[in-house]
Amino acid sequence: QKEVEQNSGPLSVPEGAIASLNCTYSDRGSQSFFWYRQYSGKSPELIMSIYSNGDKEDGRFTAQLNKASQYVSLLIRDSQPSDSATYLCAVRGDNYGQNFVFGPGTRLSVLP
Amino acid sequence: NAGVTQTPKFQVLKTGQSMTLQCAQDMNHNSMYWYRQDPGMGLRLIYYSASEGTTDKGEVPNGYNVSRLNKREFSLRLESAAPSQTSVYFCASSEATQRPQHFGDGTRLSIL
Repeated sequence: QKEVEQNSGPLSVPEGAIASLNCTYSDRGSQSFFWYRQYSGKSPELIMSIYSNGDKEDGRFTAQLNKASQYVSLLIRDSQPSDSATYLCAVRGDNYGQNFVFGPGTRLSVLP
Repeated sequence: NAGVTQTPKFQVLKTGQSMTLQCAQDMNHNSMYWYRQDPGMGLRLIYYSASEGTTDKGEVPNGYNVSRLNKREFSLRLESAAPSQTSVYFCASSEATQRPQHFGDGTRLSIL
């Protein structure tokens, strides 16, 4: 079992819809969770960080964390073509040597 | 404010050659990291430096060495390049290991 898993996609949604991206992790003791956006040929850019169970909202983005079920999700409301990118989930925990472990990423395509 | 600066941006090497990838950050961050990104593999940690004066191995350290020159600079050296080291290399920094990481633009390295 990989430590951090994401559906590779591509996930296609129409413009204006809600895009839902999911990430599961294996280390139950994980403490910190991050979502990064990476455009093709560019570097990862931090979108959200979340540390406790529940929802965290920032503009059109909402991160959801459920430690009991070991998943973290990212919702993008009113999706725009400019949101088309690969979204990377990163998890930090004691069993990872206090380092980040990145998932393989989900490619999102927002169709005009 | 440049953030994290990597040089060079592109490099082509022949098998067996050596080279050093440079990284500098101007955010007064304590922790710095080197990752490689390969298609379908996500970001994998090569080495990191939790604070000035310390370095530790990550997930894929073989064939690489690092130097934390000072608080700002963290270099990655390939002593004898191999085709398997063809990849995109990202440097990142953070205030501390538990804080979000910020990435440089990457170095695209091809080894023939």
